[in-house]
Amino acid sequence: AQKITQTQPGMFVQEKEAVTLDCTYDTSDPSYGLFWYKQPSSGEMIFLIYQGSYDQQNATEGRYSLNFQKARKSANLVISASQLGDSAMYFCAMREISSNTGKLIFGQGTTLQVKP
Amino acid sequence: DAGITQSPRHKVTETGTPVTLRCHQTENHRYMYWYRQDPGHGLRLIHYSYGVKDTDKGEVSDGYSVSRSKTEDFLLTLESATSSQTSVYFCAISGTYDQPQHFGDGTRLSIL
Repeated sequence: AQKITQTQPGMFVQEKEAVTLDCTYDTSDPSYGLFWYKQPSSGEMIFLIYQGSYDQQNATEGRYSLNFQKARKSANLVISASQLGDSAMYFCAMREISSNTGKLIFGQGTTLQVKP
Repeated sequence: DAGITQSPRHKVTETGTPVTLRCHQTENHRYMYWYRQDPGHGLRLIHYSYGVKDTDKGEVSDGYSVSRSKTEDFLLTLESATSSQTSVYFCAISGTYDQPQHFGDGTRLSIL
């Protein structure tokens, strides 16, 4: 069965430093997608970045990058030059392409606090 | 931002009453999803739709039903609300099944 694990319930980072949020996954489907979402204290879910299982390069979107290690089944989110506005909960999610449904399985989330 | 509107945004009701949450989109997207968010569980899929009148169950569908009579509207109904259904409910949409999902702002539902 597919599963997403985020082992860090909470993390702190100093402003302007980089931080890595861990995500490991389990699936038997050879074709899948991995996502990261941000949920600020205001509650909305914001899509950040996507990585496909067959993508050769790690995905990047501005200050966000996804460190994809397929053999280790990990898809860590790296935020460079942290800002106070990055304080939020972050969710890793996975979709199995073969299901043709788009259903997402989410991890439990990591709360990130950026210190000034 | 994706045009997704959830209503109501907040609701308090009593055990045993029916409740309907509405998700309205202006993107003409085919896929729509209902998730619930609870502490310690992340988001879990309740039901989803892959077209008008085409719906299917997610991992936590017991006690919920859905309907989609128009592309733009996806309704989630709790036929007889229970306290265990107190949660934050999110609607999400995507144009195809392999595109990222974009979420509405959520509905906070409290069942007393």
